[in-house]
Amino acid sequence: KAGVTQTPRYLIKTRGQQVTLSCSPISGHRSVSWYQQTPGQGLQFLFEYFSETQRNKGNFPGRFSGRQFSNSRSEMNVSTLELGDSALYLCASSLDGEIDTQYFGPGTRLTVL
Amino acid sequence: AQSVTQPDIHITVSEGASLELRCNYSYGATPYLFWYVQSPGQGLQLLLKYFSGDTLVQGIKGFEAEFKRSQSSFNLRKPSVHWSDAAEYFCAVGALLGGRRALTFGSGTRLQVQP
Repeated sequence: KAGVTQTPRYLIKTRGQQVTLSCSPISGHRSVSWYQQTPGQGLQFLFEYFSETQRNKGNFPGRFSGRQFSNSRSEMNVSTLELGDSALYLCASSLDGEIDTQYFGPGTRLTVL
Repeated sequence: AQSVTQPDIHITVSEGASLELRCNYSYGATPYLFWYVQSPGQGLQLLLKYFSGDTLVQGIKGFEAEFKRSQSSFNLRKPSVHWSDAAEYFCAVGALLGGRRALTFGSGTRLQVQP
C-alpha cells in the first residue's frame, strides 16, 4: 500500500504570493492533518480534515486554510506569504483521525524569499 | 495549556552505547504520549506510544520508554545504539484541542552516533 504523498516536495515563493500544497493520504484513510515545522517554533498542528470537513484547528492566522476533496486528498493554502512561513509542511493521514494511527508524509519544503 | 520539554537539543553517543532521551510534559489530564523519529528529508515515524496500563512501553527498532507520572516524564531508551539511529527525535503529547486530541510536540533532540 502506498504511503502518504505530498507534492511538490520543494517550493520557492516570494513574499506576498500565495501557495497551495497537496497531500494524498493512504488509500482508505479519511482524515488528513497538517503540521508546520520550523526551526524556531518546532512542529505545530495546523488543522485536521475529515470527510471534507475541517474538524480541528490549531492557532494559526486565517492566511492558512485548507480543504479536503471527496477522495480524501487535501490541499492547504497560504495566502500573502511572509518570510516566517518558510517551513517544512507535513501532512499525516489516518483512518478516522485518531492521533495514534497517523502516518506522516515526507513533507513539502517551502522557502519564502 | 499543554507543553512538552526536551531538555537536550543535541546528543552524541558512540555506537553500541546506551541511550536515554529525556522528555517532560505538562498536561492536566491523563496524557497520551508519543515518541517519533525523523530522518533527514523524511517525515515522522512513530516509535512508540503510551495511553494507559504498563508504564514501560516497547516500540520499534529496539526502543522503549517509561512513563513516570510523579516526574511528568516519558524518557526514551535504547540499550545499544546503531549508526542508523542517527536522526532527530520528537516527544509529543496528545492533548485535547477543540474537543479532539491533537499532537503537541517538543522541540526535538538531534542524535549523532559516533563510530
